[in-house]
Amino acid sequence: AQSVSQHNHHVILSEAASLELGCNYSYGGTVNLFWYVQYPGQHLQLLLKYFSGDPLVKGIKGFEAEFIKSKFSFNLRKPSVQWSDTAEYFCAVTGDTNAGKSTFGDGTTLTVKP
Amino acid sequence: SQTIHQWPATLVQPVGSPLSLECTVEGTSNPNLYWYRQAAGRGLQLLFYSVGIGQISSEVPQNLSASRPQDRQFILSSKKLLLSDSGFYLCAFAGEQGGELFFGEGSRLTVL
Repeated sequence: AQSVSQHNHHVILSEAASLELGCNYSYGGTVNLFWYVQYPGQHLQLLLKYFSGDPLVKGIKGFEAEFIKSKFSFNLRKPSVQWSDTAEYFCAVTGDTNAGKSTFGDGTTLTVKP
Repeated sequence: SQTIHQWPATLVQPVGSPLSLECTVEGTSNPNLYWYRQAAGRGLQLLFYSVGIGQISSEVPQNLSASRPQDRQFILSSKKLLLSDSGFYLCAFAGEQGGELFFGEGSRLTVL
């Protein structure tokens, strides 16, 4: 069975600080990897995704994530966070034979102080 | 454009009462549809998915059921709610490539 582990449950940063949220997964086959974000009062929405190719993927609002297959990791990064990045972030994985049946991590709440 | 809506947004129900949460999708045909539940402080757990009208797969044993009476309608139901059914329920459809999910607004259910 596949699983996803997000190491940080709550992260507090000041504006302009760099961000890295950890995500490790366990799955025995080819995977598609995602980061979703839920801003306060808004829908859960896709931040970025990895299907294949360049392991460094870029998403919206300056976020990027790097797929390291040997480490089963897909960490999310942003060089300089803004107050508006305050949100809950979820890492998710799905095998390519069951697209849409995603396994999610428990989420990381990011609070950015102005 | 593709949109997804679910309702009601908030629901407070007594133990033993029935439940019906509804989800509709616009702008796409024959979508794969999903019901997820998010317990407090936890990630999303897949409850049901459907690849077509009348086709429902359950991922976890539970007190809930799902139905898909029309191509773009997905309903989550229960005949008798339990306290443990409280949570935040999300309906979603899968994008055409790779399984990315598009979520509805969510329905917060509190069972008292």
